[in-house]
Amino acid sequence: DVKVTQSSRYLVKRTGEKVFLECVQDMDHENMFWYRQDPGLGLRLIYFSYDVKMKEKGDIPEGYSVSREKKERFSLILESASTNQTSMYLCASSPGQGAEVNLETQYFGPGTRLLVL
Amino acid sequence: GQNIDQPTEMTATEGAIVQINCTYQTSGFNGLFWYQQHAGEAPTFLSYNVLDGLEEKGRFSSFLSRSKGYSYLLLKELQMKDSASYLCAGMDSNYQLIWGAGTKLIIKP
Repeated sequence: DVKVTQSSRYLVKRTGEKVFLECVQDMDHENMFWYRQDPGLGLRLIYFSYDVKMKEKGDIPEGYSVSREKKERFSLILESASTNQTSMYLCASSPGQGAEVNLETQYFGPGTRLLVL
Repeated sequence: GQNIDQPTEMTATEGAIVQINCTYQTSGFNGLFWYQQHAGEAPTFLSYNVLDGLEEKGRFSSFLSRSKGYSYLLLKELQMKDSASYLCAGMDSNYQLIWGAGTKLIIKP
């Protein structure tokens, strides 16, 4: 079974704090993703990575950065948290990109509910 | 632009059948995914369609019509545990998933 874990289920931070959200997957997946999920808006892609040390901006990268130093770990960083970053953050991984599109099935971690005061 | 449309909320009765529709517009198309998400939990994969037609998996079936940009998820013999949000996601030519906002399904006894 694929396992994707996230460092915290719930987090409360103050405006201006630097926030680290960690995600680890144990299935040697190539691809990793960070989403935020807000009511009525669906999942919105923040950043993704297809390989170690590689990152690509998603739809809403502003105010976020990422790090992928090891294949199994993908970190999301909020350099200076703001109240509009209060959200549910979901990490996902998928096996790899290629002709077999079912390899794109994404497996999600349990999510981190972040509250910025 | 790219867009996924699905109803916000649906209600059904335990033991009945419900169909959740999804229409999509993507730049290129590499398949349509359905995920289930219980409140407060992560989405879990339900189905993937890339060819036209119906794929059946136990009580759940998923249908795709590429010419109409349309998919549906059919849930039979509804159980209370099926109360959840159902997310439709289309994959574009860059293998990126475009997500709908989800359909909250409420099951009543």
